[in-house]
Amino acid sequence: GIQVEQSPPDLILQEGANSTLRCNFSDSVNNLQWFHQNPWGQLINLFYIPSGTKQNGRLSATTVATERYSLLYISSSQTTDSGVYFCAVESGANNLFFGTGTRLTVIP
Amino acid sequence: GAVVSQHPSWVICKSGTSVKIECRSLDFQATTMFWYRQFPKQSLMLMATSNEGSKATYEQGVEKDKFLINHASLTLSTLTVTSAHPEDSSFYICSASLSASGKKSQYFGPGTRLTVT
Repeated sequence: GIQVEQSPPDLILQEGANSTLRCNFSDSVNNLQWFHQNPWGQLINLFYIPSGTKQNGRLSATTVATERYSLLYISSSQTTDSGVYFCAVESGANNLFFGTGTRLTVIP
Repeated sequence: GAVVSQHPSWVICKSGTSVKIECRSLDFQATTMFWYRQFPKQSLMLMATSNEGSKATYEQGVEKDKFLINHASLTLSTLTVTSAHPEDSSFYICSASLSASGKKSQYFGPGTRLTVT
């Protein structure tokens, strides 16, 4: 199956700092989503972004499909941003393959 | 919109018993739902794809006789863990597929934490 790698695996930020999370995938995809899993386990949809750039408040994402990677930018981080960030890709059938995740801790 | 619920949110059961987990799409109809499991500090692994009115499609290595999936309506799918053992303890998450404006996204339930003693 398709391989999805995320980096860094762990990230600790001071509140107010900016960060970039990366997602590399091994094959062409027809869907890519970014999720935030909060400390209680709930997965929250952040972006549906198979290509191009989108912004939503302090978050933005860019996917370069031809080079098989996506980036998630978090600006002015807050403690509530803590949790695990996953990218997930869909190739062919409507199945999402999840990446390895980036665990973000924002300290006040 | 696009809210998915799961029940129960957590359950503790004794080894050898069966546990049923419900997944509901509250404000949309979902012909396809998915079941994932997540071990501590690991990623989500797809277990099976559930289609309304037909048999579920299981991923390689997932025992269909142990993890029974029923998709009885366009808003409800159930996962039954039969004869549970401690190694089945995990976080089980469902999702429902929604198509809108030419894109198909999955929306996730809050998860069910199963502990088998």
